[in-house]
Parts: sequence; structure tokens; C-alpha cells
Amino acid sequence: DTGVSQDPRHKITKRGQNVTFRCDPISEHNRLYWYRQTLGQGPEFLTYFQNEAQLEKSRLLSDRFSAERPKGSFSTLEIQRTEQGDSAMYLCASSPRTENYGYTFGSGTRLTVV
Amino acid sequence: GEDVEQSLFLSVREGDSSVINCTYTDSSSTYLYWYKQEPGAGLQLLTYIFSNMDMKQDQRLTVLLNKKDKHLSLRIADTQTGDSAIYFCAESSNAGNNRKLIWGLGTSLAVNP
Repeated sequence: DTGVSQDPRHKITKRGQNVTFRCDPISEHNRLYWYRQTLGQGPEFLTYFQNEAQLEKSRLLSDRFSAERPKGSFSTLEIQRTEQGDSAMYLCASSPRTENYGYTFGSGTRLTVV
Repeated sequence: GEDVEQSLFLSVREGDSSVINCTYTDSSSTYLYWYKQEPGAGLQLLTYIFSNMDMKQDQRLTVLLNKKDKHLSLRIADTQTGDSAIYFCAESSNAGNNRKLIWGLGTSLAVNP
């Protein structure tokens, strides 16, 4: 297992288009998180899955955002009708049931909406 | 509410010690973390401390926790140019049961040769 993988690394899209990002967590981790990070800021929590169940969704996540983790393994984050304000780094992290050892982050997907 | 604050910049000379400070507000946090982020890269967990500990040492890294003042610090001994990065302090929120992390804005560490 090589850690948390995110795909793609970079995405440039035109305003109004839909985009989908994928995250493959560490295989034995049952918790999966999506965060968003903009320049000069710390990561902001977006949503959290325990296995396949989405247990929390931030108020930051408008109706244009949806996330899934259909089999409790990989997850997808879709943004519909992208806006320039959606430009950010989207980070995925996973952790085991006990988070004592912190969260392992992927390298992120950098989204640029033009 | 939950909040984590850090100073934004720190500049040190190579070989000196660096001390990065952080304050947090959630007294019920169980774990506090330090992450490192290099330019264009993801977040790398450096170390963490459980809230019933005062200090943790891991090679060149020393974490000090003052729970009464809700103050956390990260000391890097013999700082090297490769330590130049942004360092984030984060607390594990007890809100709900999701253990999401609440982050500071990050401290940008510049190491001068």
C-alpha cells in the first residue's frame, strides 16, 4: 500500500463544467475525509465517511458538491457547475478507527476554474 | 467555538532551533497534531501528542503542551534548509463523532543558510 492516492493531480476546467475527483485511501482505513485548502489557509473540512456512510457534511458544501464512497473503499467528490470560487486544492485523508496516529493525506487535486 | 491560532512567519538560521507556537480553544481536544506542508505537496504528519501528556520528543522534534493555557509548541533542533515549509497545528475536534481536524493557518518557516 503506497498511502492515499488522489487523481487527477491537477484539473483545469471552464466555469460551469462538472468535475469529479477520486481518492483511494489506505486499504485498512475505514474513515475517509475530504478537505479543501486555499492559498494561505489551513485545510477546511468538507465531509467525512465511515465505511460507506457519509456521516457529516460541512455547511461549506453547497448543493453543487456531492461525495460518495460506494463500497467503503475509494471515494469520489463531484462539483457541478463549477465557479471560480471553487478553485482550490482538494485534499483527501484517511484514518483507521482509532485516530491516535493522525490522518494520512493524499497529495491533493489542484482545481483551477477559468 | 473551535479555533486554532498560529503566528504566520518564522525565520531562523541553519543550525539554530526553531520554535513554532500554537494556541487552541477546544479544551476537550484529545489529540493535537503538527503537520508539515512543502510547496505543492500534501500534508505530512510530523508528530502528535495526546492531551494528557506534557511533552513528547521524537528525534529533532520536541512537542510541549500546556493544557491549562491551551498552548502547543513544536521545537525543531538543528534546523536545516530542508525544514523550510509551512507547519500546521491541528486539534482533533470532539464535535459529533467524526474526529475532524480543526486547523491553524500555518506558520511559514524560512531557514537561512
